[in-house]
Amino acid sequence: EAQVTQNPRYLITVTGKKLTVTCSQNMNHEYMSWYRQDPGLGLRQIYYSMNVEVTDKGDVPEGYKVSRKEKRNFPLILESPSPNQTSLYFCASSYGSSGGYEQYFGPGTRLTVT
Amino acid sequence: QKEVEQNSGPLSVPEGAIASLNCTYSDRGSQSFFWYRQYSGKSPELIMFIYSNGDKEDGRFTAQLNKASQYVSLLIRDSQPSDSATYLCAVNPPNDYKLSFGAGTTVTVRA
Repeated sequence: EAQVTQNPRYLITVTGKKLTVTCSQNMNHEYMSWYRQDPGLGLRQIYYSMNVEVTDKGDVPEGYKVSRKEKRNFPLILESPSPNQTSLYFCASSYGSSGGYEQYFGPGTRLTVT
Repeated sequence: QKEVEQNSGPLSVPEGAIASLNCTYSDRGSQSFFWYRQYSGKSPELIMFIYSNGDKEDGRFTAQLNKASQYVSLLIRDSQPSDSATYLCAVNPPNDYKLSFGAGTTVTVRA
């Protein structure tokens, strides 16, 4: 089944404790992206990747890191999480190399930082 | 000014009526426009995309694009309770790899 998977689905952590949210797609897509969704603000792009080893900042990259060492994986790293990073996170992938193509979303990761 | 703005809603329509959703964008020259539907607690899913001026129809959904006015809309005809969801407008700015979303409009279809 073609899909984007994220783990964990739910995470409660404390301020400053490094964490990684994994994202994997099995569709051989070029483009992958991370979004956060907050009430009233919609989806905001954190980082995106056009291909392996090529990443760039979205609209809200502060406090996040990403890497794209393999085509299928695009982990999101929070080196020192803070309460303002409490949010719902979505990973997405697309067969094109930009944001101009249909994106397929993972199921989401709900993160709470206390 | 936000890159993508949607009418804030919520929008409540009776079953069988037309729901009309609006979206404006700031980057003139944007080429790709998308409407995603998101049910509560679920991830967004694409329902329509449009690249050219004019109307594009797919079943009960019609997307309308007017690049001169920087405006894209979504019409849902014969609205059903299953259409109750949040609808997200998304725009790929010119010469950019990113995708910008509006805040979404929540639609409730009353039986």
